[in-house]
Amino acid sequence: QKEVEQNSGPLSVPEGAIASLNCTYSDRGSQSFFWYRQYSGKSPELIMFIYSNGDKEDGRFTAQLNKASQYVSLLIRDSQPSDSATYLCASRGNLIFGKGTKLSVKP
Amino acid sequence: EAGVTQSPTHLIKTRGQQVTLRCSPISGHTSVYWYQQALGLGLQFLLWYDEGEERNRGNFPPRFSGRQFPNYSSELNVNALELEDSALYLCASTPDRGSNYGYTFGSGTRLTVV
Repeated sequence: QKEVEQNSGPLSVPEGAIASLNCTYSDRGSQSFFWYRQYSGKSPELIMFIYSNGDKEDGRFTAQLNKASQYVSLLIRDSQPSDSATYLCASRGNLIFGKGTKLSVKP
Repeated sequence: EAGVTQSPTHLIKTRGQQVTLRCSPISGHTSVYWYQQALGLGLQFLLWYDEGEERNRGNFPPRFSGRQFPNYSSELNVNALELEDSALYLCASTPDRGSNYGYTFGSGTRLTVV
């Protein structure tokens, strides 16, 4: 069974801190991953896509992929209350999602 | 550019009834994915259609079915509704099965079974 696993949280960080969200996957054939953000009652929106080992930065967001260890992470710098949402990790291909990590950024 | 559109937005059905949900992908997108998200739970993969064919199916009973039309729009049908089918049903589209552009989600259909 190909799985993507995330810590469901909730993860609580103070405003301005770095939030670190992690995801592990079981299928060594998975080559690339998406990070989605889902606000309560809304549909998921794509925030990052990563397919190479190492880091990919986009504004306050950095995605990290380590294929040898089979994990992918998302760092959010200078966290804002508006970042409070559930973050979903997904492998490309048949788009299997993790269950998501709920992030709460406290003012 | 219009996004992924789903209809209806909300629906209330009685246990045992049948329901059809609709999805129109972004223009030029050929792949459509359906997901179920029960309250407080993660996204559960239902079905994947590409170029009019069913490419993959999640771990759901056969009363969940669908199809994709020549214009790439899609329908999800659920027969013999059960209370636990109450959920947000999300449709996502992508240009092709190997897209690196991500998958764009519609706003979903909120189904309540009473």
